[in-house]
Amino acid sequence: DSGVTQTPKHLITATGQRVTLRCSPRSGDLSVYWYQQSLDQGLQFLIQYYNGEERAKGNILERFSAQQFPDLHSELNLSSLELGDSALYFCASSGQVGGELFFGEGSRLTVL
Amino acid sequence: AQSVTQPDIHITVSEGASLELRCNYSYGATPYLFWYVQSPGQGLQLLLKYFSGDTLVQGIKGFEAEFKRSQSSFNLRKPSVHWSDAAEYFCAVGFSGTYKYIFGTGTRLKVLA
Repeated sequence: DSGVTQTPKHLITATGQRVTLRCSPRSGDLSVYWYQQSLDQGLQFLIQYYNGEERAKGNILERFSAQQFPDLHSELNLSSLELGDSALYFCASSGQVGGELFFGEGSRLTVL
Repeated sequence: AQSVTQPDIHITVSEGASLELRCNYSYGATPYLFWYVQSPGQGLQLLLKYFSGDTLVQGIKGFEAEFKRSQSSFNLRKPSVHWSDAAEYFCAVGFSGTYKYIFGTGTRLKVLA
C-alpha cells in the first residue's frame, strides 16, 4: 500500500461527458502528480501541483484541468470526453524534492 | 534536452535465468535515478533508487542496479528471474532541486516457465 488513494477505480462513460478523478496523497506529501497511461503512448505526465499551486504542465489537453485543494487532495477533471481518452490515470505524490514518487493504483477510464 | 531511454520494449527470459534491463539518460549533471515495476492492473511500485554514494544499489525483490556515470546508464539486474517478475519496468530520472521527473517508455518482461 503506497498510501496514495485514487477514486474511482473504474469508470465507464460516454463520449462528450465529463468526469472527475480524485486523489488523496500520502499523509504529509505536498506534491501531487497526474499521469495518463495508454497502450499506445505509455506513461504521459499531465500536471503537477505543490501545496495547492500548479508547478509543472506536461501533455495535458485543454479539455482537462486539475486542482489541488487546501487539504492537499487533488482532482483531475476530464471534459468533452473522446474515445481516445480511455486510459489508466495515475496519481502520485512526493514528500521531498527529487525523492521517490508514490503511485496510487490508478483510475481506469473507459469512454464508449 | 533531458531524456530517458529504455531501448528494449520487450524482453523474454526463462525462469531462473539472469536479467538485465537497460536504461540510459541524458542530463548534464548526475540525476536521481529510479526503477519502478508495474504488475498488470496495478500502480507503479519503487524497486530501488540512487541518489549518491555507492553506485551499486540494492532494491526489493532481489533486484539491483548499477549507476555508471561514464555511460550515463542505470541498468537493472537480477541474477535469477522468477515467474512473478513478469511485469513492466520503468526507469525514471529526477532532478536535484526540482520536483521534475522523466520516465522511460518501459520494458515489458515476459518470463517463460
